[in-house]
Amino acid sequence: QLQLQESGPGLVKPSETLSLTCTVSGGSISSSSYYWGWIRQPPGKGLEWIGSIYYSGTTYYNPSLKSRVTISVDTSKSQFSLKLSSVTAADTAVYYCARHSSGLYSAFDMWGQGTTVTVSS
Amino acid sequence: DIQMTQSPSSLSASVGDRVTITCRASQSISTYLNWYQQKPGRAPKLLISAASSLQSGVPSRFSGSGSGTDFTLTINSLQPEDFAAFYCQQTYDTPQTFGQGTKVEVK
Repeated sequence: QLQLQESGPGLVKPSETLSLTCTVSGGSISSSSYYWGWIRQPPGKGLEWIGSIYYSGTTYYNPSLKSRVTISVDTSKSQFSLKLSSVTAADTAVYYCARHSSGLYSAFDMWGQGTTVTVSS
Repeated sequence: DIQMTQSPSSLSASVGDRVTITCRASQSISTYLNWYQQKPGRAPKLLISAASSLQSGVPSRFSGSGSGTDFTLTINSLQPEDFAAFYCQQTYDTPQTFGQGTKVEVK
């Protein structure tokens, strides 16, 4: 049974860099069938896709965040990571990692439980 | 970006009711439309992909329809465990975008 688990600091200071890691277990992060993505949800609000990465390292990002986002993958550790720079209070959210297919009709079919990140001094 | 607009934003319903949620895209997205259910404090769960394809293990009372710009999620005979928020998502174009959500509450 595939599982995804987010980890990282729950509190980040304004202007600093948010760093989260997603560990994939029970399946291969190197599957050619899937991309691995990050999605966030501010308190009481909807979902926002941040970006996704393929096991080869190919990435694509939401243009609204692209200047501040870096997603990387470490297949040897079955992990992929998110870095979001120059954070503000608007980046306070629950951050989810999830899997989506690389095929024509893509959907996030497996999700981590989410981790809350608060941006505050 | 393609804007996804759900209606209503919230609704009150009773167990056994038939519930319909609509999602409208700001441009045609063919059937590149997914539906998710999210319960409080939990991650979203994929219910339907490609507008009408029910995911394995999802009860058959859930169904999806539509193409182009207008889509519908229908829950036949609402069950107690169905009270939650529902989101549509388009994957036709980058960035993939979600609707603002519809909260189904107890009447």
